[in-house]
Amino acid sequence: EAGVVQSPRYKIIEKKQPVAFWCNPISGHNTLYWYLQNLGQGPELLIRYENEEAVDDSQLPKDRFSAERLKGVDSTLKIQPAELGDSAVYLCASSSTGGSEQFFGPGTRLTVL
Amino acid sequence: GIQVEQSPPDLILQEGANSTLRCNFSDSVNNLQWFHQNPWGQLINLFYIPSGTKQNGRLSATTVATERYSLLYISSSQTTDSGVYFCAVRGGGFKTIFGAGTRLFVKA
Repeated sequence: EAGVVQSPRYKIIEKKQPVAFWCNPISGHNTLYWYLQNLGQGPELLIRYENEEAVDDSQLPKDRFSAERLKGVDSTLKIQPAELGDSAVYLCASSSTGGSEQFFGPGTRLTVL
Repeated sequence: GIQVEQSPPDLILQEGANSTLRCNFSDSVNNLQWFHQNPWGQLINLFYIPSGTKQNGRLSATTVATERYSLLYISSSQTTDSGVYFCAVRGGGFKTIFGAGTRLFVKA
């Protein structure tokens, strides 16, 4: 069974440019998470979806970050415009329900120049 | 929110040695996971262990929810065990909080 798929794996952009990350969760998993991981730290939750609904986006900087999961399967996280401080690894995870075991994708490493 | 503390922050072992990693949390949790982040950044599931004890090969984990801690045991360590070990907990509302991790280096 395929795991969580993310693309791209690496992205280098200049500041003020837009960027988007894509995630496809494990088949049948209703809950999808986006995390941010800064160097030397643990992942921090940005947003959690239950099917199509964003049920926890309290940590998402809404002035420049947006996310969607239109059909309740794959999801896109967007940053517009990107800032130097956005350089980090963006991780996607999924679980069958909101309280069950989470499985992570390989992440997208973003560098903003 | 829930605070998660992991110790030690860094650990260097000789191959073959045993070790214990600790995760303390400040409030009741619904579940707890241990992950190993390998040098390529992939988070690998080790244990899903809200309470009790589980074993998987050379690794085992124990969570004592009433005392708000979990332990990860690594026996007969190998160089491939190197990386960062994270504890992640979920409290009410299913908000997941990660600890800062324990960075393990196993020398050959």
